[in-house]
Amino acid sequence: GAGVSQSPSNKVTEKGKDVELRCDPISGHTALYWYRQSLGQGLEFLIYFQGNSAPDKSGLPSDRFSAERTGGSVSTLTIQRTQQEDSAVYLCASSLARGGAGETQYFGPGTRLLVL
Amino acid sequence: AQSVTQPDIHITVSEGASLELRCNYSYGATPYLFWYVQSPGQGLQLLLKYFSGDTLVQGIKGFEAEFKRSQSSFNLRKPSVHWSDAAEYFCAVAFGGYNKLIFGAGTRLAVHP
Repeated sequence: GAGVSQSPSNKVTEKGKDVELRCDPISGHTALYWYRQSLGQGLEFLIYFQGNSAPDKSGLPSDRFSAERTGGSVSTLTIQRTQQEDSAVYLCASSLARGGAGETQYFGPGTRLLVL
Repeated sequence: AQSVTQPDIHITVSEGASLELRCNYSYGATPYLFWYVQSPGQGLQLLLKYFSGDTLVQGIKGFEAEFKRSQSSFNLRKPSVHWSDAAEYFCAVAFGGYNKLIFGAGTRLAVHP
């Protein structure tokens, strides 16, 4: 596709339920990132995938959060037993990652999650 | 620890006026620096970036930014603001081999006609 796409655009869930957020990166981009944008914490890095390497999970806030990337393309961020503090906009980004540091990351429109 | 500070949470300017958004960073080496813009309901769009070389960087939409090592700053400027520039602006730093971005808190820009 022309850009990074994310689905759903909005998600409302009840506390304690699990949610899955999807990201389709730009075709050919090998690096994929998840960030979270919330009122209290601003924009925070969550997790990074690069090719077949082990992901960098250093930003995941708890073990309720997990992510996978299938076939080096689509990624799913899963939040188990959601809490109200998980309410935020979840942004996905991708980059070419040809080895140059500081490559431009292209962001998707985000998924707005509201936990009631 | 690495950090990015945007001291101005909100800025209001008149259309046609000049603009400067401040950004300071804390990092041991020369970082990779970025400015992103986020319009309401939209994702982040890259305005410009600095890696090395000329410290004055030109970006899209008429924006420019200047890297000043001595001040650990990377301020964003535009000589004449348009109403469509109203948005939130984020300064970010990339570090490490994985390029994960550290963002500032953002500056929300309002433009008066």
